[in-house]
Amino acid sequence: KAGVTQTPRYLIKTRGQQVTLSCSPISGHRSVSWYQQTPGQGLQFLFEYFSETQRNKGNFPGRFSGRQFSNSRSEMNVSTLELGDSALYLCASSISGYSYNEQFFGPGTRLTVL
Amino acid sequence: AQSVTQPDIHITVSEGASLELRCNYSYGATPYLFWYVQSPGQGLQLLLKYFSGDTLVQGIKGFEAEFKRSQSSFNLRKPSVHWSDAAEYFCAVGYTGRRALTFGSGTRLQVQP
Repeated sequence: KAGVTQTPRYLIKTRGQQVTLSCSPISGHRSVSWYQQTPGQGLQFLFEYFSETQRNKGNFPGRFSGRQFSNSRSEMNVSTLELGDSALYLCASSISGYSYNEQFFGPGTRLTVL
Repeated sequence: AQSVTQPDIHITVSEGASLELRCNYSYGATPYLFWYVQSPGQGLQLLLKYFSGDTLVQGIKGFEAEFKRSQSSFNLRKPSVHWSDAAEYFCAVGYTGRRALTFGSGTRLQVQP
């Protein structure tokens, strides 16, 4: 069974631009969660989607948004990029999204904002 | 609000030595507890998890962890560390009815030859 895939793996953007990251979950998984990982803040939860609906949201500004498609693939968008948005963005898929289900992580997208 | 503390930011051990990584959580309910490992440039991989039952759980790569309710701890152990164990380790906690995991800040393990 194929794992979680994220595209692109690396991105370089400049301040003020916007970016879209993509995540394809494991087949049969309907929940996709997004995390931001930085050296200073560690792993921070962005949001979680299940069956095309956002079910949970972390404490991030509205510049961070996401969506999920009917095939469970998910995208996250960051508008008006800031230097502090430079991070590794990880997505994780699980069967239901509840915390007792194992989350399977993708390799991440490394975003650098110049 | 729940929180997870990994008090050791960085640990260095010699190859073949034993290892213990500490994790403490705060919340009243019975937690679901996880340990993940992240190699450089990679995503997180689940090492082991605890939901209920036997408080000593075995995981992959020779790791084990013990849940101690009285100490709100879930420490990760390995009797003999290999150079390939060098990575960052994250403890995470979840609870019944909740959808998100809370992660600790991570412990970076360095293995000396």
